[in-house]
Amino acid sequence: TQLLEQSPQFLSIQEGENLTVYCNSSSVFSSLQWYRQEPGEGPVLLVTVVTGGEVKKLKRLTFQFGDARKDSSLHITAAQPGDTGLYLCAGGVVTGGGNKLTFGTGTQLKVEL
Amino acid sequence: GAGVSQSPSNKVTEKGKDVELRCDPISGHTALYWYRQRLGQGLEFLIYFQGNSAPDKSGLPSDRFSAERTGESVSTLTIQRTQQEDSAVYLCASSSTGGRATNEKLFFGSGTQLSVL
Repeated sequence: TQLLEQSPQFLSIQEGENLTVYCNSSSVFSSLQWYRQEPGEGPVLLVTVVTGGEVKKLKRLTFQFGDARKDSSLHITAAQPGDTGLYLCAGGVVTGGGNKLTFGTGTQLKVEL
Repeated sequence: GAGVSQSPSNKVTEKGKDVELRCDPISGHTALYWYRQRLGQGLEFLIYFQGNSAPDKSGLPSDRFSAERTGESVSTLTIQRTQQEDSAVYLCASSSTGGRATNEKLFFGSGTQLSVL
């Protein structure tokens, strides 16, 4: 069973602060995705990384895939209240049965004014 | 439709009753997934449909859970003899890449909040 552990589980910060969320596993993944979910809604894909060591930036968000493709991090610079939500990482392994994603345990982020 | 549609959005049922949850994927999407999400937690894979292939049922927690999909359209998730531990949000997602691409993008519905009393 592939498990993805996220840390921290909860994070409450002030507007303007920086933060990093970690996603770790002992398994190797073909790809690693990050989603954000707001209350009452389904998760929305933010980014997909597929190459070990890959770094992608999306405005104030920086995503990195570990060299061994077992872990990933999400760094947010100058957090804003609109960043509040549940952040989920998801590791993908392509098999004959499809790309069944394993989701992480989630990080609940709250950004206050 | 424009997005993945799930119904009902909320369902309250009594322990022991059967429930049926519906998912309408994005038109043309060949892959359809069901996930379960307990409060504030990550998503637990339940079942995956890809075209006319046999579904991957490896995530279904017990034989009380079953799902069907007609072709590449609507899917229903049925939970028989519901238990309190079945209370959760049930999310459906669809994809156009059919699970064959490492950069597959899932589009999620808003989910069905199931409460078993």
